[in-house]
Amino acid sequence: QVHLVQSGAEVKKPGASVKVSCKASGFTFTDFSIHWLRLAPGQGLEWLGRIPPYTGGTKYAEKFEGRITMTRDTSISTAYMELTSLRSDDTAVYYCARTNFRDYRGIDLWGQGTLLTVSS
Amino acid sequence: DIVMTQSPLSLSVTPGEPASISCRSSQSLLQTNEYNYLDWYLQKPGQSPQLLIYLGSHRASGVPDRFSGSGSGTDFTLKISRVEAEDVGVYYCMQAQQTRTFGQGTKVEIK
Repeated sequence: QVHLVQSGAEVKKPGASVKVSCKASGFTFTDFSIHWLRLAPGQGLEWLGRIPPYTGGTKYAEKFEGRITMTRDTSISTAYMELTSLRSDDTAVYYCARTNFRDYRGIDLWGQGTLLTVSS
Repeated sequence: DIVMTQSPLSLSVTPGEPASISCRSSQSLLQTNEYNYLDWYLQKPGQSPQLLIYLGSHRASGVPDRFSGSGSGTDFTLKISRVEAEDVGVYYCMQAQQTRTFGQGTKVEIK
């Protein structure tokens, strides 16, 4: 079975950083781009960015430029998203998800979500 | 960024009745390959989002055929031919033409 399994919930103080992991299984990791999205309380889905199969070509949403970094370790089929300078409005459930790198068929697999709470 | 506008923002439907959600983009999502880069997702309560429709009208694997997507350019529609209780949740359209953006979401509940 195909899965994206994310790291557990995090509680951080304002100004801190967080790094969330996303481990893939059941499919060829390097055939897919990994996207990161979030759902904040009372808000809609928001796309943060994506990283293609190999380093280079990472694309971030403009509002996160400068404080987000996406990386991936193909040797262990794991992607990472680091967000710095956290604010209370970064409190959200963060999702990793995949799209086929060569044949677009939508965001067809999502992780279970990681709850990030930013509070003093 | 491309702005996505959904309507209505909430919908209360009787089981067995049809439902329709509209999505409009601020720029055309039709590419030269003749595909519209517009997807539909459903987030059921307590679950991760799931893909329903990709490239405007292609039903994702495992999605019941009561769901259909149509439209081209800037105007798109998701239709549910006969709503079932399990269809409750928030429906989002998303453009994949440029850096992804979502509509505001349409909350569907059962009467």
